[in-house]
Amino acid sequence: AQSVTQLGSHVSVSEGALVLLRCNYSSSVPPYLFWYVQYPNQGLQLLLKYTTGATLVKGINGFEAEFKKSETSFHLTKPSAHMSDAAEYFCAVKPRSNDYKLSFGAGTTVTVRA
Amino acid sequence: GAVVSQHPSRVICKSGTSVKIECRSLDFQATTMFWYRQFPKQSLMLMATSNEGSKATYEQGVEKDKFLINHASLTLSTLTVTSAHPEDSSFYICSARNSGGATGELFFGEGSRLTVL
Repeated sequence: AQSVTQLGSHVSVSEGALVLLRCNYSSSVPPYLFWYVQYPNQGLQLLLKYTTGATLVKGINGFEAEFKKSETSFHLTKPSAHMSDAAEYFCAVKPRSNDYKLSFGAGTTVTVRA
Repeated sequence: GAVVSQHPSRVICKSGTSVKIECRSLDFQATTMFWYRQFPKQSLMLMATSNEGSKATYEQGVEKDKFLINHASLTLSTLTVTSAHPEDSSFYICSARNSGGATGELFFGEGSRLTVL
C-alpha cells in the first residue's frame, strides 16, 4: 500500500518569497509522483509530475519539484511567490503499474501576503 | 491540453430527490474515469472507478446503490446520487484517463457542488 504525507496544512508566504511545500510518500517501489493545484470551487490542475528520468521536474507557473529516492520525498518549490499562487496544493502518487488510481495527500493551503 | 467537463457545476436539490452529474472527456477517449468526493478543507476521497461498458468498481465504504455510476460511452460517465440527503452535500470531482495518452496522467473536471436541503 502507498500513502502520501504533506507536512503543513497551511503555508503563508510573502509575495516574492520562496514557496516550499513538502511531500513524502510511503511505498516499497518509488511510484509516479504528481503535484496538483486547486483554486476555490474548481477541479484540479496538474502542476508537474515525475515518472522517470531527471529527478528535478519543472512545471507550469514557475513551480518545480525534486524527486529524492533516499528521502522518499517530492517537495514542491517556487522561487518567488505571486498573489495568484494562493490556492490548495495536493501531492499525489500512483503505482508503477496499470492501476491508475491516484492517492492524494491531505493538501496544503497557500496564502500569499502582499 | 485534454479537457474534462462536468455538468452541472452547482446543483441544489431537496432531500429525497436524485441528482445526476455528468463527466465528459471533450477531446479524447476515456475508457476509465474516476469519481471523487471532497469535503470542505479536505483532500479528495476516491469513490469509484468507472469503466466503459462494464460495472463500476466502488471503494470500500461507498454505497453502490446510493451512488450509481454509468459509463455508457468512451466520453461520458455519470454519477447519480439517489435519494439525496443533506449529508450527501459535497464537492464531487471526476477525472479521466486518456487511453492514448502519457503514462499515468489523469485530467480532472471542474467539479460539481451538490447542496441538499
